[in-house]
Amino acid sequence: QSALTQPASVSGSPGQSITLSCTGASSDFGTYDSVSWYQFHPGKGPQLIIFDVNDRPSGVPDRFSGSKSGNTASLTISGLQSDDEAVYFCSSYTSSSVYVFGTGTMVSVL
Amino acid sequence: QVQLQESGPGLVKPLGTLSLTCAVSGVSMKTTGWWGWVRQPPGKGLEWIGETSHTGSVHYNPSLKGRASLSINKSENHFSLNLTSVTAADTGVYFCARMGFYNFRTWGHGTLVTVSS
Repeated sequence: QSALTQPASVSGSPGQSITLSCTGASSDFGTYDSVSWYQFHPGKGPQLIIFDVNDRPSGVPDRFSGSKSGNTASLTISGLQSDDEAVYFCSSYTSSSVYVFGTGTMVSVL
Repeated sequence: QVQLQESGPGLVKPLGTLSLTCAVSGVSMKTTGWWGWVRQPPGKGLEWIGETSHTGSVHYNPSLKGRASLSINKSENHFSLNLTSVTAADTGVYFCARMGFYNFRTWGHGTLVTVSS
């Protein structure tokens, strides 16, 4: 099972919007809308920020939003803040009943 | 607030068994939930290892070729991972997680395990 493909890095200025992509095969996304996104912030445990493609757990700011089109899922961070500097991974439950993760994107705030 | 904490040896010899425990607080494992493990080799991405339920059902990543074993101890509110016949490729940070519906809802901070003689 290959990893989902994410850009290695994305950067933006404070207040801007950035979009992270997550691409795989159709089988990677299975028959469920089970794409999720995780923030790996230095010094903190990983945090779920998007599940089921575009839902947010309670406590996650609405600056974070998700979408999916075909075999590409996307995470958009609006109103970029310095605290958003982190590594972001996407994940999906595949048609083979296996969880697969993306390669990870490092977000830098300029 | 649900919290998870991994523990176990930080150094394991090649061909030995990696054993980790994840202590869960803030929720009882007796009646609910799926619980999983994920690892991250140095400088690489994430790999799902497996998951176990409060009823003892388990699912494993086939890529581990049967080397992984998950168990749950509901009375002590923790679950465990054993990985046999380890090699340097098994070195990495190991995370435990409380599962949601097809997602990893809450994570521990992770623990580094190095395979070396």
